[in-house]
Amino acid sequence: GAGVSQSPSNKVTEKGKDVELRCDPISGHTALYWYRQSLGQGLEFLIYFQGNSAPDKSGLPSDRFSAERTGGSVSTLTIQRTQQEDSAVYLCASSSSGSYANEQFFGPGTRLTVL
Amino acid sequence: QQQVKQSPQSLIVQKGGISIINCAYENTAFDYFPWYQQFPGKGPALLIAIRPDVSEKKEGRFTISFNKSAKQFSLHIMDSQPGDSATYFCAARRGSARQLTFGSGTQLTVLP
Repeated sequence: GAGVSQSPSNKVTEKGKDVELRCDPISGHTALYWYRQSLGQGLEFLIYFQGNSAPDKSGLPSDRFSAERTGGSVSTLTIQRTQQEDSAVYLCASSSSGSYANEQFFGPGTRLTVL
Repeated sequence: QQQVKQSPQSLIVQKGGISIINCAYENTAFDYFPWYQQFPGKGPALLIAIRPDVSEKKEGRFTISFNKSAKQFSLHIMDSQPGDSATYFCAARRGSARQLTFGSGTQLTVLP
């Protein structure tokens, strides 16, 4: 079956513009995560969705960042009024349930460049 | 606050050698410690994971050693191959949380 897919693979935008990044998780996976990977850094947690529960937004760095997950499947991460420090690779992962032992499967990421 | 510290930042080993990457954590509530492997242009993929009730876990050429008292764990890659050249991330997770806390990564190069 298909893995986690993300689009676009690359996005170049101008400072101040809004961007939307899309994630299609593995079919049937109830948990979905967004992480950010800055150059030379590890992955930084942004937000977590589990089924119909309220998302864990504790990792969002500012109110310019938001995410939604429609129908328990596709998720969109929105960054408003982008800043240069938002430049990073945004990774989405999904897992089959919320139990902590379940493996997170990552997509290839969206490389965001803010000029 | 970096809760998982990883070293070295980069590592070069000869083919057939042993690659060792170390991680240290601060939060004693962590109870699951995976290692991820990432190739350029790809997302990280789970390589091997351990829980703190065991001191070692081996899968093929990959071994995790875990020292609970020292709050340290390490990845050993035996008989390293050029195909192992990638970036390796250690991570940790609390049982009550779902997200992973990652180390900063180690870029491994295995010379042919």
